Amino acid sequence: NAGVTQTPKFQVLKTGQSMTLQCAQDMNHNSMYWYRQDPGMGLRLIYYSASEGTTDKGEVPNGYNVSRLNKREFSLRLESAAPSQTSVYFCASSEEASGIGSPLHFGNGTRLTVT
Amino acid sequence: QQQVKQSPQSLIVQKGGISIINCAYENTAFDYFPWYQQFPGKGPALLIAIRPDVSEKKEGRFTISFNKSAKQFSLHIMDSQPGDSATYFCAASYRGTYKYIFGTGTRLKVLA
Repeated sequence: NAGVTQTPKFQVLKTGQSMTLQCAQDMNHNSMYWYRQDPGMGLRLIYYSASEGTTDKGEVPNGYNVSRLNKREFSLRLESAAPSQTSVYFCASSEEASGIGSPLHFGNGTRLTVT
Repeated sequence: QQQVKQSPQSLIVQKGGISIINCAYENTAFDYFPWYQQFPGKGPALLIAIRPDVSEKKEGRFTISFNKSAKQFSLHIMDSQPGDSATYFCAASYRGTYKYIFGTGTRLKVLA
């Protein structure tokens, strides 16, 4: 049981380049999330998808777009990468909205450097 | 009002000692408080969680203490082990929503 799988694991981009981070979960979860983790900043929500067919902005959505391709897959796109987007990106899923018994399950992250 | 303030930033504890990490929040509407544990190179994983209708929750060596009036909650790791060395994040959420507010993390090192 793989859980949440993210690809790629590492990526280096030049300013202005675009890329898509891929995420897939095999737990039949309804909700999926994209977070970024920066030193001293904790985890900040970029976008989330409460259920297939819906997406909503989180705390830091500027510069990103998302697609909930189907129930399993949720991708994050950087259209024109900036050095401020250098971060570790985590995809997560949950069975439903927050609460006891519906924790976030995280992937192992994508380490992105924008030069 | 949406912040969750976590301290300390880093913590070094001897094997067998007690590790204590504290978090404070302002928004009294929060009603779900999980703690996540993250090992290097891995994503965070849920460790333990509490709702504000109880003052304490214990799971093995891990205990959450919750002080609703002070708007504070803390994680206590009893008999700390080198395998507990990780980064710990507190978080707060409105139960039934999709948005967690995470603390900034505490890097714990347990010396053998």
